[in-house]
Amino acid sequence: GAVVSQHPSWVICKSGTSVKIECRSLDFQATTMFWYRQFPKQSLMLMATSNEGSKATYEQGVEKDKFLINHASLTLSTLTVTSAHPEDSSFYICSPTGQGAPNTEAFFGQGTRLTVV
Amino acid sequence: DAKTTQPPSMDCAEGRAANLPCNHSTISGNEYVYWYRQIHSQGPQYIIHGLKNNETNEMASLIITEDRKSSTLILPHATLRDTAVYYCIVNLSGNQFYFGTGTSLTVIP
Repeated sequence: GAVVSQHPSWVICKSGTSVKIECRSLDFQATTMFWYRQFPKQSLMLMATSNEGSKATYEQGVEKDKFLINHASLTLSTLTVTSAHPEDSSFYICSPTGQGAPNTEAFFGQGTRLTVV
Repeated sequence: DAKTTQPPSMDCAEGRAANLPCNHSTISGNEYVYWYRQIHSQGPQYIIHGLKNNETNEMASLIITEDRKSSTLILPHATLRDTAVYYCIVNLSGNQFYFGTGTSLTVIP
């Protein structure tokens, strides 16, 4: 299967600060990146979809100015949570796909546990 | 994407087969049935997928009814490490997924 590396695995930050989460596809070119978040005891919810070199498309209810996605490279995409607040505390997961990746299944990063205090 | 319905939770004795059902009555003809699982605080892990025929791999078996309106994931010999939330998803391809609430499987010693 495809190798996906997400970093950091967990982070604690103060309210009002920004946090950057990185997602790398190590053995294929990620032309598309899906970002999910998961609140405690809930299912994964798709936040946004980004294509390399293009602006991300956000799902309804997700603030694009708060969750900045950069996908300038075929192997790296970043999600920046700006001016984080306690309600942004969640589990964030990336899922890249693209050229060279198996198109019969999705691969996910290990996830990032964000806690805003 | 078609919606799926799964029981919220199930228990299974260690060493026994775990049979996890999923209803997807509105599935379209070209949508696949995917199964993923998520162990606490980890990303989802692919288990198996199928279109029409039953499928088997080293992890599990997938039984899809002839009308494709439901399916069952079978873990033949459940272990404690199989305790996880199991998601049944129907999708056109293995990319963008909309996850339901899944089934929380607890394997009991």
